[in-house]
Order: sequence, then structure tokens, then C-alpha cells
Amino acid sequence: DSGVTQTPKHLITATGQRVTLRCSPRSGDLSVYWYQQSLDQGLQFLIQYYNGEERAKGNILERFSAQQFPDLHSELNLSSLELGDSALYFCASSTKLDNTQYFGPGTRLTVL
Amino acid sequence: AQTVTQSQPEMSVQEAETVTLSCTYDTSESDYYLFWYKQPPSRQMILVIRQEAYKQQNATENRFSVNFQKAAKSFSLKISDSQLGDAAMYFCAYSAGGATNKLIFGTGTLLAVQP
Repeated sequence: DSGVTQTPKHLITATGQRVTLRCSPRSGDLSVYWYQQSLDQGLQFLIQYYNGEERAKGNILERFSAQQFPDLHSELNLSSLELGDSALYFCASSTKLDNTQYFGPGTRLTVL
Repeated sequence: AQTVTQSQPEMSVQEAETVTLSCTYDTSESDYYLFWYKQPPSRQMILVIRQEAYKQQNATENRFSVNFQKAAKSFSLKISDSQLGDAAMYFCAYSAGGATNKLIFGTGTLLAVQP
């Protein structure tokens, strides 16, 4: 158990819909990262937050957005869903002093 | 841009034997971090080992060790006394460190352990 929690574990929805994925980092970690794992794109970095502020953006679509709340939990919002958005979405967290990222169990998103 | 390459899509090892997974990377940075993550069938991403580029000594964690060749930009993972539970996808990852330390992953090596 990494100490990073993600909900829900599985999500099945239809094209055009909007979903929210939630992540709670390890106790004391200020940085939260979101990654997407799909068959064709592999593991890709989406976005990073540090203590509530956006720190870096990767290959994140405009239909996707994220935020980190004062209690440090983070949410990834995916809207106007397409079949190609079906993937495993991971959240990871790290401390400022240690660059090691610890991953949550992931949310499996299926868009039908 | 930094890249990570894993040239072995699949590997197989006999139980109790030793196997080495290869990874090369490309970067112009002098300070960075390298990682190996394991993804078993449960799909959980589990940290196996990490290496700081400024450290010349190769990292070890129990049966797992790395061969870090900075000049050659090579970072291989050696698994000794392989166990059935080691069967998984293994990902090599690079982080530039600093304030924005996103992970850049290789495409993975699927390791099978034969009893």
C-alpha cells in the first residue's frame, strides 16, 4: 500500500459525458501528479500540482482539467468524453525533498 | 526532449535464476533521477528502485540492483533469485528533478518467470 488513494476504482460511462476522478496523496506530500496509461500511448504525464498551484502540464487535452484543494486532495475532470479516453488514470504523490513518486491504485475509465 | 527506451518488449527467466532488463535514456541534464517501477497484473505501479545521477554507487534493494552507466546513459535492472511474484511489466522512468519532476516512462518490459 503506497498511501495514495484513488476513487473510484472503475468508471463506466458514455461518450459525451463528464467524470471526476479523485486522489488523496500520502500524508505530508504536497505534490500530486496525474498520469494516463493507454494501450496506444503508454504511460503519459498529464499535470502536476504543488500545494494547490499548477506546477507543470504535459499532454493534457483541453477537455481535461484538474485542481488541488487546500486539504491537498486532487481531482481530475474529464469532459466531452470520447472512446479514446478509455484508459487507466493514475495519481502519484511525492515530497518536496524526495523526487520519488508513489502511485495510487488507479482508476479504470471505460467510455462506451 | 528527454526520452527513455526499453528495447526488450518481453523477457523470460527461470525461477531462482538472474535476469537483466535494459534501459537507455537521453538527456542533456547532468542532475536527474532514474527509477524502475513494477506493474503486476493488478495494474498497481510499485516502486522497485531509484538512482540519483550524482551518485556513482549503484543502488540495490534486496534482490534488485541496477547497473548505472552515466556516460553511456544506460540504466539496467538486475533481478537475482527470481521468484514467481516477480512476473510483471517493468517500466524504466526518468525524472529531471527540480520543481517539475514529471516522470518520463519507457514502453515497458514484460517479464515472465518460469517455474
